Amino acid sequence: SQKIEQNSEALNIQEGKTATLTCNYTNYSPAYLQWYRQDPGRGPVFLLLIRENEKEKRKERLKVTFDTTLKQSLFHITASQPADSATYLCALHMGGKLIFGQGTELSVKP
Amino acid sequence: GAVVSQHPSWVICKSGTSVKIECRSLDFQATTMFWYRQFPKQSLMLMATSNEGSKATYEQGVEKDKFLINHASLTLSTLTVTSAHPEDSSFYICSARDPTSGNNEQFFGPGTRLTVL
Repeated sequence: SQKIEQNSEALNIQEGKTATLTCNYTNYSPAYLQWYRQDPGRGPVFLLLIRENEKEKRKERLKVTFDTTLKQSLFHITASQPADSATYLCALHMGGKLIFGQGTELSVKP
Repeated sequence: GAVVSQHPSWVICKSGTSVKIECRSLDFQATTMFWYRQFPKQSLMLMATSNEGSKATYEQGVEKDKFLINHASLTLSTLTVTSAHPEDSSFYICSARDPTSGNNEQFFGPGTRLTVL
């Protein structure tokens, strides 16, 4: 079955730096991959979607890459701010369902 | 964007009682809704897919007689946890798919924290 791995350890960075989060998966590539933000005690909020035929997608300070050869997606937040502190989840769209990674907790220090 | 609400946001109940959680799509009609469960520091685990007017499809290992799902209208799905036990304590999140969205995007509710004493 499909397995998704995200950096399990929390990521601590300084304000203004670029945060890079990793999502690796096994087996077959999904039609598309999504990234979500989740704050404590809240539901996930959609950030970006990237399709298997797209290498890169950008939205404001966010950038997502998708390498189907490496079976990996990278999620970047440039010029990070303390307000970006949250857990970030990657999710693969497989057979009409979303399969989530366990998330990476990001903490941006002022 | 589309909004999905859940009610209640939190509930505390005694062991053996049943609890109903509602999930509503507020500004779109959702033919498909999903129910997830999330334990602390863990991923969202899909429990079941709820299709309007038909029976829900449950994921492997999820007891359909314990977690009753009803999707009676295009804007409402309910999850009933029957005879709840402390191990059912978790964060339950629903999502709804907007069929008019070209990305098959799912919009998530704010979640319901269930605590069973």
